[in-house]
Amino acid sequence: DTGVSQDPRHKITKRGQNVTFRCDPISEHNRLYWYRQTLGQGPEFLTYFQNEAQLEKSRLLSDRFSAERPKGSFSTLEIQRTEQGDSAMYLCASSLTSGNTDTQYFGPGTRLTVL
Amino acid sequence: GNSVTQMEGPVTLSEEAFLTINCTYTATGYPSLFWYVQYPGEGLQLLLKATKADDKGSNKGFEATYRKETTSFHLEKGSVQVSDSAVYFCALDYGGSQGNLIFGKGTKLSVKP
Repeated sequence: DTGVSQDPRHKITKRGQNVTFRCDPISEHNRLYWYRQTLGQGPEFLTYFQNEAQLEKSRLLSDRFSAERPKGSFSTLEIQRTEQGDSAMYLCASSLTSGNTDTQYFGPGTRLTVL
Repeated sequence: GNSVTQMEGPVTLSEEAFLTINCTYTATGYPSLFWYVQYPGEGLQLLLKATKADDKGSNKGFEATYRKETTSFHLEKGSVQVSDSAVYFCALDYGGSQGNLIFGKGTKLSVKP
């Protein structure tokens, strides 16, 4: 399968702990996106990369959230000092820029539960 | 600001019924429009898209037409199946340097045999 993969699929942590999620995009895709989805809502954009450059990060929910894509391939999303309100599904998507419209392909998500 | 509004669910239909899920958007300029589907326990999958006014996207018997005059992108299917039960999300994208998709809240569809 050559789709977007995410790891882990589920993460349970205690409040105050740090967590890191990994996303592996479709291999030839140069853009990578992170979204958060809470119950009953549509995905909410967090940040995105073009190759290794983070082009938009103002939507990250707080300074406890950070993301990297050091070699322009996989990406990590870290949440420091987790809070119960961080419990959600974290989605990764990738796309290949072509013209004005990119089609984003999503991974299965990482479900975070903060106790 | 830019936003997407979908009809509230859940929507429950009998097999072979006609489906319409309404989607309207607020945006400046000319976004691309998408429908994504999320089956139980699975990730978001692209269902169809349209990139300019009057374009019709279609896939798996689903259709949606980009109506600039009514700022709408309603999803339709002539005869639903039990396997169509899922949550459907309408989304818009400006592409280019904007990057992100803006999603509606989703509409849950349940199809009964």
